[in-house]
Amino acid sequence: DQQVKQNSPSLSVQEGRISILNCDYTNSMFDYFLWYKKYPAEGPTFLISISSIKDKNEDGRFTVFLNKSAKHLSLHIVPSQPGDSAVYFCAASDTGANSKLTFGKGITLSVRP
Amino acid sequence: GAGVSQTPSNKVTEKGKYVELRCDPISGHTALYWYRQSLGQGPEFLIYFQGTGAADDSGLPNDRFFAVRPEGSVSTLKIQRTERGDSAVYLCASSLTGNTEAFFGQGTRLTVV
Repeated sequence: DQQVKQNSPSLSVQEGRISILNCDYTNSMFDYFLWYKKYPAEGPTFLISISSIKDKNEDGRFTVFLNKSAKHLSLHIVPSQPGDSAVYFCAASDTGANSKLTFGKGITLSVRP
Repeated sequence: GAGVSQTPSNKVTEKGKYVELRCDPISGHTALYWYRQSLGQGPEFLIYFQGTGAADDSGLPNDRFFAVRPEGSVSTLKIQRTERGDSAVYLCASSLTGNTEAFFGQGTRLTVV
């Protein structure tokens, strides 16, 4: 039973455009959410996070939006760059910390030059 | 090195054999995590250490899996009587405390034949 769902396995966007990666969760106890980026043969790299007390967090080209009532979050990348091409994982924690993360299956983003 | 180091990077073993996977966390990081990533899935939590003790081992699938961190630094994940279903990438991560960003290693790809 997937508690964190990334229903679209892949996304392709044109360089310079916006990439929107979606994530849904079912566990209402989750209170901390993270996005990780993964290149082939490397471990996941932390990208951005958001606490459940916020609905938006921005870091440069990356913005994460949280809709608690819908149990939905999204990662916006704008403008998208070819180097953003990777697998993006949504993750959640119910301890307000990073101690035990529940990951989605990931979405493969391809940014076309 | 500056990052989380995992050895070996690849391990092929025969069904029924015993394997050990090693993780060297970032120096000074008190929290250490093990995750397992099967093909097409996101990382799945196995165990979390705070210092030398296992703070949460609820993700270990069965008693064939065991992990230690005797001196609060290096950790070893031990798998007895390996099965083909154990084939996956085993990821280790560390963080300064349990409440800060986790940094992942590149993983050990275990193949049981």
